[in-house]
Amino acid sequence: DGGITQSPKYLFRKEGQNVTLSCEQNLNHDAMYWYRQDPGQGLRLIYYSQIVNDFQKGDIAEGYSVSREKKESFPLTVTSAQKNPTAFYLCASSGDRVPFTEAFFGQGTRLTVV
Amino acid sequence: SQQGEEDPQALSIQEGENATMNCSYKTSINNLQWYRQNSGRGLVHLILIRSNEREKHSGRLRVTLDTSKKSSSLLITASRAADTASYFCATDAGTGRRALTFGSGTRLQVQP
Repeated sequence: DGGITQSPKYLFRKEGQNVTLSCEQNLNHDAMYWYRQDPGQGLRLIYYSQIVNDFQKGDIAEGYSVSREKKESFPLTVTSAQKNPTAFYLCASSGDRVPFTEAFFGQGTRLTVV
Repeated sequence: SQQGEEDPQALSIQEGENATMNCSYKTSINNLQWYRQNSGRGLVHLILIRSNEREKHSGRLRVTLDTSKKSSSLLITASRAADTASYFCATDAGTGRRALTFGSGTRLQVQP
């Protein structure tokens, strides 16, 4: 089945730890995105990548880092510099760059600081 | 930046009624899309309307776009309990940042 897979579904982080969220797609899409969603809120863009080995900051990139070494994968690291990381994280991909037609989303990772 | 703002924030209706959600945005756009999110899940694309279109239909969905007012509406006709979800508009501004910008969403509850 083609799609976009996020893992794990639930993740717990201790204060001061870095954690990495996985996002893999087999849709052969060039573009991938990370969004953060807080309870009852919309999605805010963290980072996005239009092509392998290139990525750009979104609106709330501070405290996060990404890499794009393979077309299929776009992992997100939540660093200890992110002061309030508890949220629902959504990864998406799109086969178009200009203009967008449709974004495909993973099922999300819920990160909780303990 | 939160490009889109949706209205109302929450909507509760009975099965069979129509549900209308509105979205306003700030900059010029290439297109506007609507997505649905079931609780705790990812988003699913519903419909896209291009900046040169005024109305579009897909099944029980009807979307309108008024670029002069920078606003869009999503109408779900003959709603069902299974339509209970959050609905988000998303815009492709076409310049600068190459990513969709999402609104704050409308939480729809359809009572059986």
